[in-house]
Order: sequence, then C-alpha cells, then structure tokens
Amino acid sequence: SQELEQSPQSLIVQEGKNLTINCTSSKTLYGLYWYKQKYGEGLIFLMMLQKGGEEKSHEKITAKLDEKKQQSSLHITASQPSHAGIYLCGADKATSGSRLTFGEGTQLTVNP
Amino acid sequence: ETGVTQTPRHLVMGMTNKKSLKCEQHLGHNAMYWYKQSAKKPLELMFVYNFKEQTENNSVPSRFSPECPNSSHLFLHLHTLQPEDSALYLCASSQDLGGRAQHFGDGTRLSIL
Repeated sequence: SQELEQSPQSLIVQEGKNLTINCTSSKTLYGLYWYKQKYGEGLIFLMMLQKGGEEKSHEKITAKLDEKKQQSSLHITASQPSHAGIYLCGADKATSGSRLTFGEGTQLTVNP
Repeated sequence: ETGVTQTPRHLVMGMTNKKSLKCEQHLGHNAMYWYKQSAKKPLELMFVYNFKEQTENNSVPSRFSPECPNSSHLFLHLHTLQPEDSALYLCASSQDLGGRAQHFGDGTRLSIL
C-alpha cells in the first residue's frame, strides 16, 4: 500500500511567519491532494497536483509537487490564526484514482 | 458549506443499539465514500460507491453495513458496535473515481458506550 509521511507532525508559529509542511511517498504520486481540517470537522479541499513540477497557489497557500512526483510541499506565507488546523495530504492509488491514501496530518497552531 | 451534509453530527450509542448515519450530497457527484478517522491515525477508507454500486470494501467488519439507494445518498447502518469503533465518520463524494478531488462532509462523531 502507498504510505504518505507528513512532516512535521505539529507546528507552532507566530502570526506573520512563513511555514512549510511536507508530504513524502515511497512511490510515485499520481494525484496529490491537500486538505485542511478543523478539529472535529470535515476536510476542506485546498489543491490538487498531478504533474511533476506543478505548483498551485490559493491566497497565501502554495503547494508544489516535485519533478519525481514523490514529494509535495505546502507553503503558507505570512501565516494568520485562520490558517490554524490540521493539514492532510492524500494521494491517489495508482492511476485509477479510485482510492485516496492519507498522511497522518500536520497540526498547525498560529499564535497571534 | 461543502455540499455534503452528514447527520447526525454527534451520536452516542450502546453496544447493542442499532443506528444509522446519513450522508447527502448536492453536487451531482457519482461517487461516494465512507471514511473512519480515529485519534492519532490516518484517515481510513471504509467503502466506495460509484453510481450506487459498491466498488470497494476495505475489509470492514460486518457490524458496519453501507447502503447507497441513489447517487446522492449514502447510509452507514450500525449494529453491535464495539468501543474501538468510537471515531469521527466522514462521508465524501467526487464527480467520479478518476482522480477527482473528494468533497467531505463535517462528519458524525460516534461514541460507543
């Protein structure tokens, strides 16, 4: 099975600071998804990356998929308390995309 | 508002009870999913439905019984659950199975006494 490792497991930053969360796979990623979850709530879709070297941005959040398609990073610029939550990466199982495997998540705290 | 609604939001039940979780999506999607999220563990896929047909059962115990009467509704029938089944149960939908982003509901927090 495809395992996704996220690092760090938790992160505490001061408001206004930049931060990066990583998602690494031992196998080629055919589709990589980033989600945000607030405690006890559902997952909010952020971005989807499919091509090696692809980069997408939404407001102050940028996600990249490396050329080898085995690692993705999520970068937040000038973090705000509203960015706090759990960030999860998910990846399609092979090319069929019929199943998502998820990482354990990164707990982000942004102190005002 | 993700377009996926789950009810109830919270459920407390005894091990001998029978209850059902409901999921409804208003996105016109064809695929629906049940996930289990336990503390300190990755999201676990339970079931996948595509056009009302079950396409995947991830070795889920028979005390969990899914039902998909149409592409917009998904149920999870529960009976004789165990304490370790306490978790957040999340429903998701996607346009189809082909590498599409999944949209999640807010989940049902289930506690087994």
